[in-house]
Amino acid sequence: GDSVTQMEGPVTLSEEAFLTINCTYTATGYPSLFWYVQYPGEGLQLLLKATKADDKGSNKGFEATYRKETTSFHLEKGSVQVSDSAVYFCALRFTGGGNKLTFGTGTQLKVEL
Amino acid sequence: NAGVMQNPRHLVRRRGQEARLRCSPMKGHSHVYWYRQLPEEGLKFMVYLQKENIIDESGMPKERFSAEFPKEGPSILRIQQVVRGDSAAYFCASSPPGQGNSPLHFGNGTRLTVT
Repeated sequence: GDSVTQMEGPVTLSEEAFLTINCTYTATGYPSLFWYVQYPGEGLQLLLKATKADDKGSNKGFEATYRKETTSFHLEKGSVQVSDSAVYFCALRFTGGGNKLTFGTGTQLKVEL
Repeated sequence: NAGVMQNPRHLVRRRGQEARLRCSPMKGHSHVYWYRQLPEEGLKFMVYLQKENIIDESGMPKERFSAEFPKEGPSILRIQQVVRGDSAAYFCASSPPGQGNSPLHFGNGTRLTVT
């Protein structure tokens, strides 16, 4: 079946460091891909998305590019802040209306001063 | 435009009691999804509903769990005879009809604790 694999956390970085969180997927077909962020005690917020190959999603300094050849959607940010500390979830969803999101297990990011 | 509203935020039940979790989707959204998040784990899909219909319940436990989304009112996730293993955060999400590549919008969850 369809699945998403993320790098295990926690990832601990110093403020202003470069961030990469790896995400690969397995799916029959070409899903839309998403990154969600969850701050402590809260629900999930959409961070960015890409709907087709070579699309780049970006938001709040975060970027991810839909790579069909490597079935990947790695999340990057050039300079992290303490306020970026959260859990990040990669997810896929198929077009065709109404299909569920399939999530990775999440990667916890801790940014320290 | 209010987001997805879930209540209660926190729910404590003793073993054997019933838990009812409510979810009001965003305005204009007719698709509702329920997910469960166990401590230190990711989100697991439970059920997908449209108004008055269950579309996909492949993630629902076979016993004690049920969900509905009536024509009027919120979606309800019901857990009968709760056990300690049901303790988790339950998230509801919604999406508009006919947009399969659109994101799901999540509520802040209900954190169920079974004592």
